[in-house]
Amino acid sequence: AQSVTQLGSHVSVSEGALVLLRCNYSSSVPPYLFWYVQYPNQGLQLLLKYTSAATLVKGINGFEAEFKKSETSFHLTKPSAHMSDAAEYFCAVSDRGATNKLIFGTGTLLAVQP
Amino acid sequence: NAGVTQTPKFRILKIGQSMTLQCTQDMNHNYMYWYRQDPGMGLKLIYYSVGAGITDKGEVPNGYNVSRSTTEDFPLRLELAAPSQTSVYFCASRQGVGYEQYFGPGTRLTVT
Repeated sequence: AQSVTQLGSHVSVSEGALVLLRCNYSSSVPPYLFWYVQYPNQGLQLLLKYTSAATLVKGINGFEAEFKKSETSFHLTKPSAHMSDAAEYFCAVSDRGATNKLIFGTGTLLAVQP
Repeated sequence: NAGVTQTPKFRILKIGQSMTLQCTQDMNHNYMYWYRQDPGMGLKLIYYSVGAGITDKGEVPNGYNVSRSTTEDFPLRLELAAPSQTSVYFCASRQGVGYEQYFGPGTRLTVT
């Protein structure tokens, strides 16, 4: 069965510092991987996705993630945090089957300090 | 396009009452999903549909029912509401395999 682990339920960085949010997945076959962001009292918005093209994926708002098969990881990074990046971030994995159900991690709440 | 819309935004139910959460998408997506989100738990799949007339259970289907009579609509029915169903409910749709899911704004439900 597929699963996703997000290390660190809360991460705090200073404005301008590197953002690193960790995601490890478990899957018996190469999966699709996604990062979503959720701002307070809103739905989820796609940041980026990996579907087996380039292993380094660039997303919106300056975020990127690298698929590392050997480490079963898909960590999310941003070189310089902005106050507007404060939100909850979810990593998700899905299989390549017909139903394509998403399995979500438990989320990481990012705080950005001035 | 409005994308995925959900109604109502907020609702308070008494234990034992029933209600239907509405979800509509205007992107002609075949795949639709219902999730619930509880603090610290991520999103859990309740039910999903791969097309009109086809639905199936997700991880946490107990206490819920769905139907999919049209491509656009995917209502979620709560029968005999319980406090354990207090949660935020999200509907999502997807174009096809490998595509991302688009989420609605959510319905915040409290059962007291």
